[in-house]
Amino acid sequence: GESVGLHLPTLSVQEGDNSIINCAYSNSASDYFIWYKQESGKGPQFIIDIRSNMDKRQGQRVTVLLNKTVKHLSLQIAATQPGDSAVYFCAEKGGRDDKIIFGKGTRLHILP
Amino acid sequence: EAGVVQSPRYKIIEKKQPVAFWCNPISGHNTLYWYRQNLGQGPELLIRYENEEAVDDSQLPKDRFSAERLKGVDSTLKIQPAELGDSAVYLCASSIRGLGGYTFGSGTRLTVV
Repeated sequence: GESVGLHLPTLSVQEGDNSIINCAYSNSASDYFIWYKQESGKGPQFIIDIRSNMDKRQGQRVTVLLNKTVKHLSLQIAATQPGDSAVYFCAEKGGRDDKIIFGKGTRLHILP
Repeated sequence: EAGVVQSPRYKIIEKKQPVAFWCNPISGHNTLYWYRQNLGQGPELLIRYENEEAVDDSQLPKDRFSAERLKGVDSTLKIQPAELGDSAVYLCASSIRGLGGYTFGSGTRLTVV
């Protein structure tokens, strides 16, 4: 079936550097995309979202980019901090079922 | 605001035993979801409620799983009997009319031995 996936299961980044987490989606009918952060023992936490009529959206230290041509989504985290260590999921919504579908996740490791 | 509250946080049961999870959504959120998250995977939707009506239960294994949301507020998810493969984290989430991203609870980690 249609699903959202991430390119890398693990990403290691030096503290202070920028992190880029990528995601590819396959459902062309999806019109809403979300990034979630999940820390150990907790539920997914909303970070930022973007609608399909936008290419870029910025939050505090985070930016989401959407490329509908190649069905690609990315999350950029500026000046990565130890507290950013978590698993990051991209998720899509829209189409016939109109429910949020999650990808497999990327674990972000912060190196000292 | 308390957020989505789930209990218990952890549960260990023997296979073939029943188990129940409870969820209290954010006040005013009429849409409630139960997700299951296997180790190393993203959450997968089990059932979605709009108020007290289950509008999408296509992924709920109905032979052993059941859910209810009486009065359109709190919800319970039950497994009877539990199997080893049911070991996972069960997440509850809520939203306003299904709009935007959902707010998740901390989940119940179920271990079936």
